[in-house]
Amino acid sequence: AQSVTQPDIHITVSEGASLELRCNYSYGATPYLFWYVQSPGQGLQLLLKYFSGDTLVQGIKGFEAEFKRSQSSFNLRKPSVHWSDAAEYFCAVGVRSNYQLIWGAGTKLIIKP
Amino acid sequence: DAGVIQSPRHEVTEMGQEVTLRCKPISGHNSLFWYRQTMMRGLELLIYFNNNVPIDDSGMPEDRFSAKMPNASFSTLKIQPSEPRDSAVYFCASKQGVGSGANVLTFGAGSRLTVL
Repeated sequence: AQSVTQPDIHITVSEGASLELRCNYSYGATPYLFWYVQSPGQGLQLLLKYFSGDTLVQGIKGFEAEFKRSQSSFNLRKPSVHWSDAAEYFCAVGVRSNYQLIWGAGTKLIIKP
Repeated sequence: DAGVIQSPRHEVTEMGQEVTLRCKPISGHNSLFWYRQTMMRGLELLIYFNNNVPIDDSGMPEDRFSAKMPNASFSTLKIQPSEPRDSAVYFCASKQGVGSGANVLTFGAGSRLTVL
């Protein structure tokens, strides 16, 4: 069965420091991959997606993610975080020919001043 | 585009009362999803509509929950009678296309339900 693992429930990073959020998936073929962000009291907003092609994808707000097939990973990165990046981040996998998205449990990002 | 619009944003009710949550998807999107989010269980898919027809309601917790989509621009999720364990944030999301995980979901801001 397909699954998505975000191993870190919480991550604390100092403002200005770099960030990497981990996402690993289990699926027999190349899936569609997404990162969404949820700010407090808000809905989920798409940060970026990978469907095919270049394995390094750029998203909004200065985020990027890299698809590594050999590691079944799609980690999210940002070179320098801002206090406004404090939110919960969700990785999701889309299965071909299926309407379902498989969601990770989310990683809550805390920014230290 | 105003995005996916949900109402009410907050609802506080007493156990046993009927609750109706509403959603207006993005115009032109033909797939609509209702999700529930709780601390304990994360994001759960409740029901999926395609072209206004319920395709998968296997996530609806029990008969107290029902959802309708009378037209392409409106959907409701009803809980009757409500119970304290229904307290959660309920999200509506929509997308274009059918049967593919490639299309991007757009979420509403959610309806936070508290059942006392």
